[in-house]
Amino acid sequence: GQNIDQPTEMTATEGAIVQINCTYQTSGFNGLFWYQQHAGEAPTFLSYNVLDGLEEKGRFSSFLSRSKGYSYLLLKELQMKDSASYLCAARDSNYQLIWGAGTKLIIKP
Amino acid sequence: IAGITQAPTSQILAAGRRMTLRCTQDMRHNAMYWYRQDLGLGLRLIHYSNTAGTTGKGEVPDGYSVSRANTDDFPLTLASAVPSQTSVYFCASSPTGGGTGELFFGEGSRLTVL
Repeated sequence: GQNIDQPTEMTATEGAIVQINCTYQTSGFNGLFWYQQHAGEAPTFLSYNVLDGLEEKGRFSSFLSRSKGYSYLLLKELQMKDSASYLCAARDSNYQLIWGAGTKLIIKP
Repeated sequence: IAGITQAPTSQILAAGRRMTLRCTQDMRHNAMYWYRQDLGLGLRLIHYSNTAGTTGKGEVPDGYSVSRANTDDFPLTLASAVPSQTSVYFCASSPTGGGTGELFFGEGSRLTVL
């Protein structure tokens, strides 16, 4: 079956760095996505990886290893507004997204 | 402001009633999707449409139907609501069904079936 695993909840300190891991098993692979979702709001797109390696976008970076079925989202210089859920999603051979349940990130002062 | 509009934002519904959730986008995106989001679970695809005039079934289509008469509108209908359909429903769109595939989401419709 197809599956996405990511931690349910993480806590970090304002100004620090946090890494949110995601492992995936899909029928075929056509990209890995990260979305941010604040409580009570819609998900918003953060990043897309289809090749191995690190993609950097400001304070956020996303890494992919296709051979390991593994990705992580790295958030630097954490701010209180980064408190949100982070959703990992892998796209399968039919171009359908398989979503993880999300990682709730709590930022403490 | 361009984007996706969903209505209603919240609704309480008696079991057995028919309900249509509306979704309209003004970005001229070809692909549209309906997801449900439940606590502890990932977003689950209900139905999708890769282009106007076509629709397809997602992971959890039972009890739901959709239509795509034009590019902008993608309504989701619950023919006879049941309590297990209590959820937050998100409509989303993307320029194409493939490509980089960034999805743009509406603000969600919170549905409670009693």
